[in-house]
Amino acid sequence: AQKVTQAQTEISVVEKEDVTLDCVYETRDTTYYLFWYKQPPSGELVFLIRRNSFDEQNEISGRYSWNFQKSTSSFNFTITASQVVDSAVYFCALPQGGSEKLVFGKGTKLTVNP
Amino acid sequence: DSGVTQTPKHLITATGQRVTLRCSPRSGDLSVYWYQQSLDQGLQFLIQYYNGEERAKGNILERFSAQQFPDLHSELNLSSLELGDSALYFCASSAGTYSYEQYFGPGTRLTVT
Repeated sequence: AQKVTQAQTEISVVEKEDVTLDCVYETRDTTYYLFWYKQPPSGELVFLIRRNSFDEQNEISGRYSWNFQKSTSSFNFTITASQVVDSAVYFCALPQGGSEKLVFGKGTKLTVNP
Repeated sequence: DSGVTQTPKHLITATGQRVTLRCSPRSGDLSVYWYQQSLDQGLQFLIQYYNGEERAKGNILERFSAQQFPDLHSELNLSSLELGDSALYFCASSAGTYSYEQYFGPGTRLTVT
């Protein structure tokens, strides 16, 4: 069965530091998608990225970047020059095999201090 | 703003009662998903509807039921409520196929007293 592990429960950094959030997954599927979501203190879940297992190229969007490595089953998320507004809980997820049900990790709570 | 709307935002009710949570998907999205987020269980998938039909079920309790109406909005009904049902309930929508990302609504925070 699909499993997503986010080993870092909480991370605290000072503004402008770079921070990497780890995500390790388990799946028996040969093709799959991976997702990152952000949950700020206000509570909503915000979609950040979807990555296809075919594509191992790193992706960059502004201060956000994602490193997908199929060989180690990891899909890590880096925030460069962190800001206080980045404070949130970040979730990694992948669909349960053959379905659209998302299996979420436990989340990593990121606190960026001024 | 994801385009998914959920009402009400907050709900406080007593044990044994029944409540209905409502969700309107993004325009054009055919799939609606319901998730429960609690401190002990994290984010858990409950049920999915696609164009009015139930498509997938998670660990949804028998006391819970859902439906999707012809206008594609969905309702999640929770009955015989228990203290442990207190949680944040999210609705999400997607275009409806395996590869599409799910966009989440703001959630309904249910408190059972």
